Amino acid sequence: GAGVSQTPSNKVTEKGKYVELRCDPISGHTALYWYRQSLGQGPEFLIYFQGTGAADDSGLPNDRFFAVRPEGSVSTLKIQRTERGDSAVYLCASSLLPSAQETQYFGPGTRLLVL
Amino acid sequence: GDSVTQMEGPVTLSEEAFLTINCTYTATGYPSLFWYVQYPGEGLQLLLKATKADDKGSNKGFEATYRKETTSFHLEKGSVQVSDSAVYFCALSGPNTGNQFYFGTGTSLTVIP
Repeated sequence: GAGVSQTPSNKVTEKGKYVELRCDPISGHTALYWYRQSLGQGPEFLIYFQGTGAADDSGLPNDRFFAVRPEGSVSTLKIQRTERGDSAVYLCASSLLPSAQETQYFGPGTRLLVL
Repeated sequence: GDSVTQMEGPVTLSEEAFLTINCTYTATGYPSLFWYVQYPGEGLQLLLKATKADDKGSNKGFEATYRKETTSFHLEKGSVQVSDSAVYFCALSGPNTGNQFYFGTGTSLTVIP
C-alpha cells in the first residue's frame, strides 16, 4: 500500500516568507508526527497529532511554527517569517495507534532551504 | 529527560566483517527501543524494534537485544554486505515521552568490497 507522502520534496524560499509543508499519512493511521532533521543529526520532535487535535506540541521551537490536521488525515506544517536557521529536512511520520510501542512510518521528507 | 546516546561514526568495514553499533539510553519507566535505517537518497525505515526488557529484535540479519541492566540496545550483524551501507539511528519511545521518538545522532556505515 501507499506509504507516507510529503510535498513538496524541496522548497527554497527567502528569509521572511511563509511556507506550508504537506503530509499525507498512511490511510487509517490515527497518529501523525512532525520531526525536523538538521544535517548530521537525528530527527527532533516537533508536534504530534492524535486524530484532529495536537496531543503534544512541545517540540515546536517558537510561535512562528504551527501545524494543523483538520480532518484527522492530511496535515500541514506552517512556518511564518522564515529564518535561515529553519533550513532543514522536515519529516512526517504516522502510526496506526497512538502508542509508544507502535512503529512510526516516515515519509521521504521536505528539504527546506531559507536563503 | 529521556535520551539516546549512539556510537559516533563514520564506520567503515570490509564486506563480511562483523558489525556492532552501540546505543545506550536514559529513560524513566520502560521505553520501547527502535533501530531505523536511512539508505542513500531514501527515507527512514524501521529496521527492528523491541518493546520490553530482554526482547530481541531482528531483521535482515541484524539483531539487537533490549538490556535493561545496562540500558543498552546495541545493533549487531555477523556479516555485513555492501548493500548495508547506510546511516543507522537508534531511537526510543516511552510512556513519559508522549509517544514522540527520541533519536540518536546516527551512525554512518560504509561497507567496502
